[in-house]
Order: sequence, then C-alpha cells, then structure tokens
Amino acid sequence: NAGVTQTPKFQVLKTGQSMTLQCAQDMNHEYMSWYRQDPGMGLRLIHYSVGAGITDQGEVPNGYNVSRSTTEDFPLRLLSAAPSQTSVYFCASRFDNVITEAFFGQGTRLTVV
Amino acid sequence: SQKIEQNSEALNIQEGKTATLTCNYTNYSPAYLQWYRQDPGRGPVFLLLIRENEKEKRKERLKVTFDTTLKQSLFHITASQPADSATYLCALSDNSGGYQKVTFGTGTKLQVIP
Repeated sequence: NAGVTQTPKFQVLKTGQSMTLQCAQDMNHEYMSWYRQDPGMGLRLIHYSVGAGITDQGEVPNGYNVSRSTTEDFPLRLLSAAPSQTSVYFCASRFDNVITEAFFGQGTRLTVV
Repeated sequence: SQKIEQNSEALNIQEGKTATLTCNYTNYSPAYLQWYRQDPGRGPVFLLLIRENEKEKRKERLKVTFDTTLKQSLFHITASQPADSATYLCALSDNSGGYQKVTFGTGTKLQVIP
C-alpha cells in the first residue's frame, strides 16, 4: 500500500516555464488537496477536490490549475512559474468529508529561478 | 481575521520530561482539531484528533486537550525521547460551503535533549 505518492521530489524551473506536479493515491480516497509550505507561513491550501470531476480553489490558487479525471490522480499545474512559487508542495488525501485524518505525500521541493 | 497560533517556534526539553505544546485560535469554531508530526524533508503524519465535545484524548505517551471556551489545545508528550524531536502542527477544521477545510498552524519545533 503506497499511500500518497508525489513526483518529482525536487525540481528547478526557470521563470515562465510550466510544469505539472503529480499526485496519486491508492486508498480510494474521495478528498484530495494541494498545499504549499513556506517558512513561517505554515501549510496553505491551494486547490482541493471532493471527487472525480470536482475541484475548487483554496486559500492561494493564483498561478495554479488542477484537474481530477480519476479518483486516484490529482495533478497540480504551474502555468507560468514565478520565483514566488518557490516552495515545498504537499498533496494530501482523506477518506471523506467528516472527521478523518489526512495522509500526505513526501512533498515536492520546487525552486523557480 | 482567522488565526491559528502555535506558541513557541521552538521548544527544547530534557529527555524524560513532559513536553507541552500550545495551539491557540481566533475566529474559528472548529468541529475538531488534529495534531500532526512533521520530520525534516517529509510530509506531516497524523497523530491525534479531538472533537469539540471532547475535553481530552490520549494515545500512548501523547495527550491532547481541547478547550473551546479558551480556544486552545494543549499537546503533551510524556517521558519524552530524542526520537520525539520533530515539528508538531495543529490543524483546525473549517466548514466552508460544506467542505471541511483543514487549516494548519505554523508548527512548533521540538528538540528533546539526551
């Protein structure tokens, strides 16, 4: 049981480049979300999904797109990378919308130069 | 505005003592509160969840209290060990439009000194 898998672990981008951060979970969880973690800021919600085909914005959605075509996958797309998007990105999933723990991936450390 | 404050960015404690971490919040009415552990270079790992109608929850050497009047949660690690050294995050539920968003504090870095 792999849990939540994120790829890549590290990435360096040039300003203006685009890329997709991958997230997959094998626990059949309906709820998935993307966070970014910056020093002194804590984890901030970027986008979330309550099921296949349904996504919504979180606290800091600008510059990011998501889609959820399957229950398992929830990729995060950076449309035109900016230095302000340098951060550590975490994908998380949970079983339902009630009171359950979240499972996190290992994170992707992204640097935009 | 809504705010979650984890007092002390860092806490140093002697091995064997009880570590107490604090989570205070304002302008939230969380249905539940969670505590996570995060090691360097890793994602957070769930430890404990406590509901708004529960005062205390225990799991092995861990104890969490939740005071909705004071808007505070305390997280205790008894008989602390060097292996407990990590950053601990509190997280509050926030019911927005039917989706239970979970908002995290910035964390307290605990160092247990042998």
